[in-house]
Formats: sequence, structure tokens, C-alpha cells
Amino acid sequence: SQTIHQWPATLVQPVGSPLSLECTVEGTSNPNLYWYRQAAGRGLQLLFYSVGIGQISSEVPQNLSASRPQDRQFILSSKKLLLSDSGFYLCAWSPTTGERTEAFFGQGTRLTVV
Amino acid sequence: AQSVTQPDIHITVSEGASLELRCNYSYGATPYLFWYVQSPGQGLQLLLKYFSGDTLVQGIKGFEAEFKRSQSSFNLRKPSVHWSDAAEYFCAVATSGTYKYIFGTGTRLKVLA
Repeated sequence: SQTIHQWPATLVQPVGSPLSLECTVEGTSNPNLYWYRQAAGRGLQLLFYSVGIGQISSEVPQNLSASRPQDRQFILSSKKLLLSDSGFYLCAWSPTTGERTEAFFGQGTRLTVV
Repeated sequence: AQSVTQPDIHITVSEGASLELRCNYSYGATPYLFWYVQSPGQGLQLLLKYFSGDTLVQGIKGFEAEFKRSQSSFNLRKPSVHWSDAAEYFCAVATSGTYKYIFGTGTRLKVLA
């Protein structure tokens, strides 16, 4: 079966520090990968999605970037965090073969920028 | 562009009462529609989904949803709410032309004992 791992679960970082959140998927090949951010009252905002290695689509201009160095690895980064980057970050995947189905989510990372 | 509207930010119901959470989408063709539930500090769990066919779909935990094309709606219902249903609920839409899943702003459900 497929599983998705996201870490760390909680992170407190000072303003101006770098960020790296990692997400990996097991049990499938060539998944679509997604990063979402959840801020209070704003629902789930799609930040980035990727349909293959090195293929990243950005949905919202911001202080963040994403990379996909391997087929099942998706990394969310920032060179200098802002207070407004605080939130709950969720990684998700969906299959690219077979019938269309739902997205499957990791357990999330709570990021607090202080 | 596709969008999802959940007009109710907070809903409070008594345990045992019925529940309906509203969801409206904006998309030209027939969308793929989903309802997810999120417990505090957790990821999202799929409750149910609609792709085609019968417009009334059954999900887990006793939830159901009805797709109404004429109203661009996909409302979630449960006949009798349990205290454990207190959570945040998200409606989402996906389209055949892209790989994106677009979510609404969520509805936070509170259940009174």
C-alpha cells in the first residue's frame, strides 16, 4: 500500500532563517505531488504541485519554493522566513495512472515563525 | 478558474441532530468532487467522492453527499451527528484538464452534548 511521510511534525524558526520541509511517498511511482498551506480562516491554499521530477508549478507568488529531486520526494524551502509564513503545511500525492482519484495527505507540519 | 465556496465558517449542532454542510463549486464541465475531514493538528481524511453516475454518494462514518449540477452544489449530510464528528470539513474540486485539487475555506463543526 501507499504511504506518505512528512517531517518534521512541528517546527519553530526565527524570522530570516531558512526552511526545508520534506515529503516522501512510498508504494507508488511517478505520483503527482502537492504542497498546501493552511492558515486560519483561509482553508487549504495550493502552493505548488509537481507532475514529475524537476517539474514544479507554482500557484501563489511568495517567499517559498519547491523542488522534486527524486520521483517520490518533494521539498518545500525558503531562504529567509517571514512571520507570514507561519501555518500548517500539508503534503499530498495523487496517482497519475488509472482512473482519477482523490489526493492523499500527510500528517502535516506546524510551522511557527517567531 | 475553478473555485469552491463553503459559505458556513462555523456550524454548531446538538448531538443527535441532523447536519448539512454546504459546498458550491465553479467549473464549466463536470468536476470531480470530494469531502474531507480534518481533526485538529492532523492531515485530511477522505469522507466521500463523486466522479459520475448516481448523484447521491455514500461515504464513511455515515455521511452522504448529493451532487446537484443545476445548483453547482455538493452538500454533505448526516442524519444524526455524534460528538466525535466535531472537526473541520473541507469540500474540494478537481478537474480532468489539470492535476490540481482546489479546496474551500472549510467549515468547523462543533457538536453540543
